[in-house]
Amino acid sequence: SQQGEEDPQALSIQEGENATMNCSYKTSINNLQWYRQNSGRGLVHLILIRSNEREKHSGRLRVTLDTSKKSSSLLITASRAADTASYFCATDGDLNTDKLIFGTGTRLQVFP
Amino acid sequence: EAQVTQNPRYLITVTGKKLTVTCSQNMNHEYMSWYRQDPGLGLRQIYYSMNVEVTDKGDVPEGYKVSRKEKRNFPLILESPSPNQTSLYFCASSLWRGTGGGSYNEQFFGPGTRLTVL
Repeated sequence: SQQGEEDPQALSIQEGENATMNCSYKTSINNLQWYRQNSGRGLVHLILIRSNEREKHSGRLRVTLDTSKKSSSLLITASRAADTASYFCATDGDLNTDKLIFGTGTRLQVFP
Repeated sequence: EAQVTQNPRYLITVTGKKLTVTCSQNMNHEYMSWYRQDPGLGLRQIYYSMNVEVTDKGDVPEGYKVSRKEKRNFPLILESPSPNQTSLYFCASSLWRGTGGGSYNEQFFGPGTRLTVL
């Protein structure tokens, strides 16, 4: 089945640096969402970008979507130690159903 | 406070002993869903429901049952648990806008249930 694939699987950076995570998917989508998960906790929604949008901002987050390449990126600017978490992309797996398909996630570690 | 609650949060059980994990939301959401999370596999959808009495299979429904008798509740039932169902389970809810619209809105997740089947 379709699945978002995040890249890289793990990322370590220093506070203040930018972090970029990528997501690729396989079929047409209505929208793509990014979620954050602190260790062992429930996921928290960060941002949703629709298929007719190319870029979206929310605070220090910037999401881009390239439907021709079936890919999205999440940029976190001026990272903080508190940004340490796993980040997942999620897409509607099939336009005729209501499934939601999550990727395997990127584990981000921000060192103070 | 708007939230999704799950119970129990932790459960250790033995193979074959039926169990139910409850999920409840207070946001009047139509769409509810169950996921399991395993290392290296991300979150995989087990079942979802678009409204009362309407449920459908996700990607990994084998070994699970669900019911949606009330809008706020969406219990996950394991009739005969096996060790390969040891996992971290999440319930989530969101608004629904018709077929194909279930993922149009952000999902609100519960805190998770860590299940170990011996």
